[in-house]
Amino acid sequence: KNEVEQSPQNLTAQEGEFITINCSYSVGISALHWLQQHPGGGIVSLFMLSSGKKKHGRLIATINIQEKHSSLHITASHPRDSAVYICAVGGGSQGNLIFGKGTKLSVKP
Amino acid sequence: DSGVTQTPKHLITATGQRVTLRCSPRSGDLSVYWYQQSLDQGLQFLIQYYNGEERAKGNILERFSAQQFPDLHSELNLSSLELGDSALYFCASSVTGGVGEKLFFGSGTQLSVL
Repeated sequence: KNEVEQSPQNLTAQEGEFITINCSYSVGISALHWLQQHPGGGIVSLFMLSSGKKKHGRLIATINIQEKHSSLHITASHPRDSAVYICAVGGGSQGNLIFGKGTKLSVKP
Repeated sequence: DSGVTQTPKHLITATGQRVTLRCSPRSGDLSVYWYQQSLDQGLQFLIQYYNGEERAKGNILERFSAQQFPDLHSELNLSSLELGDSALYFCASSVTGGVGEKLFFGSGTQLSVL
């Protein structure tokens, strides 16, 4: 069993829909990261969470430390949100991350 | 633009060869990380440097080595290359490498071993 599990693996949505991507982990962590990888390959860090909830524009990330679960929500989705979203968890060292396999999101106009 | 520069963008080489990937971190960032992304393994942490010193090691093969220079740029050396080393190699940087810092990623080096 992978230490970081994401669901779903693939997601197709219509423009404007509310989207949720889930991440469950089985190890103790000090922080959880949500990353976005566009088709060109570049990776952008969206959020870094250790507790609670963060919001940036149409993106919301939540984490429940007791349940070892995090969600990434996208409100009013847009075709430019099409990308792979990757959950990663870290222990002691900031960059020593364990990555999920990613969720490929496609938003249709 | 993340401010992290990786060169080259693409590299094609043969089995048994040695290559060097280069990373320049964001101005002011002292910590550099290397990651490998392959189709079968996904993203994996390789190694972290902070101000010239190795800070953490992940799934880095003995054939691979890295260093961070006084000007804070870093190089990842891959030797005795095998077909399975074909992957996208990312570098990232952060200010001190402490927990809670945002990571800034370069655009990656696509390595193809033929």
